[in-house]
Amino acid sequence: QQQVKQSPQSLIVQKGGISIINCAYENTAFDYFPWYQQFPGKGPALLIAIRPDVSEKKEGRFTISFNKSAKQFSLHIMDSQPGDSATYFCAASTSGYSTLTFGKGTMLLVSP
Amino acid sequence: EAQVTQNPRYLITVTGKKLTVTCSQNMNHEYMSWYRQDPGLGLRQIYYSMNVEVTDKGDVPEGYKVSRKEKRNFPLILESPSPNQTSLYFCASSLRQGSDQPQHFGDGTRLSIL
Repeated sequence: QQQVKQSPQSLIVQKGGISIINCAYENTAFDYFPWYQQFPGKGPALLIAIRPDVSEKKEGRFTISFNKSAKQFSLHIMDSQPGDSATYFCAASTSGYSTLTFGKGTMLLVSP
Repeated sequence: EAQVTQNPRYLITVTGKKLTVTCSQNMNHEYMSWYRQDPGLGLRQIYYSMNVEVTDKGDVPEGYKVSRKEKRNFPLILESPSPNQTSLYFCASSLRQGSDQPQHFGDGTRLSIL
């Protein structure tokens, strides 16, 4: 049973546009929602994370929006750049535990 | 430089030949784990360790073994590899157990089991 559903599978955005990746979860015990960014040949790296007590978190051009009642969260990349081209994974974990449940990933391509 | 180092980065081997993928971190992290990444499936946890001599199964532990004899090392052992274990493997570590502890990943080991 997939506990974190991520969409779309792939995404092409023009430079300067907004990239939006969505995730939905089922387990209400999840209370930490990180996004990881992965470049080819590299391991995932933490990009930004949110807890359900806030509805939005922004770090530079990256924003997480969180809807607790809908059990959904999304990553917005403003002013997308070619250097943002990577695979993005949403994830979720439960308080006190480090085990991450990952979505299947979104391959983002930002065209110049 | 703080890092998680995996070796080898690439390995092609045959069914049944025991292999070990090493993982070492230099950040004095307590928590370490192994993931496998498969197309269309994302990352799935194989095993994790909360500290020396403390290990537990993740979501897909079948066919794998781990050990944690030293804090910095967490090797992944495939005693009798099979083709369905062909995958991209990542080791990760974090300062301690806890959902808010960012995990630091190695650069991966691509295994092909023929």
